[in-house]
Amino acid sequence: GQNIDQPTEMTATEGAIVQINCTYQTSGFNGLFWYQQHAGEAPTFLSYNVLDGLEEKGRFSSFLSRSKGYSYLLLKELQMKDSASYLCAYMNTGFQKLVFGTGTRLLVSP
Amino acid sequence: NAGVMQNPRHLVRRRGQEARLRCSPMKGHSHVYWYRQLPEEGLKFMVYLQKENIIDESGMPKERFSAEFPKEGPSILRIQQVVRGDSAAYFCASSPTGSPYNEQFFGPGTRLTVL
Repeated sequence: GQNIDQPTEMTATEGAIVQINCTYQTSGFNGLFWYQQHAGEAPTFLSYNVLDGLEEKGRFSSFLSRSKGYSYLLLKELQMKDSASYLCAYMNTGFQKLVFGTGTRLLVSP
Repeated sequence: NAGVMQNPRHLVRRRGQEARLRCSPMKGHSHVYWYRQLPEEGLKFMVYLQKENIIDESGMPKERFSAEFPKEGPSILRIQQVVRGDSAAYFCASSPTGSPYNEQFFGPGTRLTVL
């Protein structure tokens, strides 16, 4: 099957840290992507993990455990502009299509 | 370097009309992907094309929907005889090669409303 799950909504305070989890089940796996999407705009690429472990990029980090079918996106020093939907997606071996979760809507409050 | 371009940004059609959505990939990109986002749902893959070839259309509805990416010009997603259920945001993405290690760059989307 092609299942991918992430929480629907999360809230956090400016300056805090938030972790958005994503679990997936697939028979073939070729990488996990995180995208950010502001309302009414295009998804923009944040990170890509294909091997287990943590990838850090400034305030954003992404973690992958292939054996557990689990990833998370960590956002540090939250800013108001980080209020957006965060989309988790995997790519299957031999295919080019991304399989997306429904997205996690993050609201950052002052 | 311009990003992925899509037009129109908003399109309103009455039931039974045709909708044509255009996508110009980023310069140097020869791989195009179309995704549909229904209200309150995630992005769903529709079709993957290279110049003059449809590589994977496993996400395309069997009827009324077609896509092309000609040698010259933009990629076109065509929806014939639109119905209210076709109302959605349609996103195009492009990548420089077909390798899965290349991120897909998304365009701003076309929001289709069927009255």
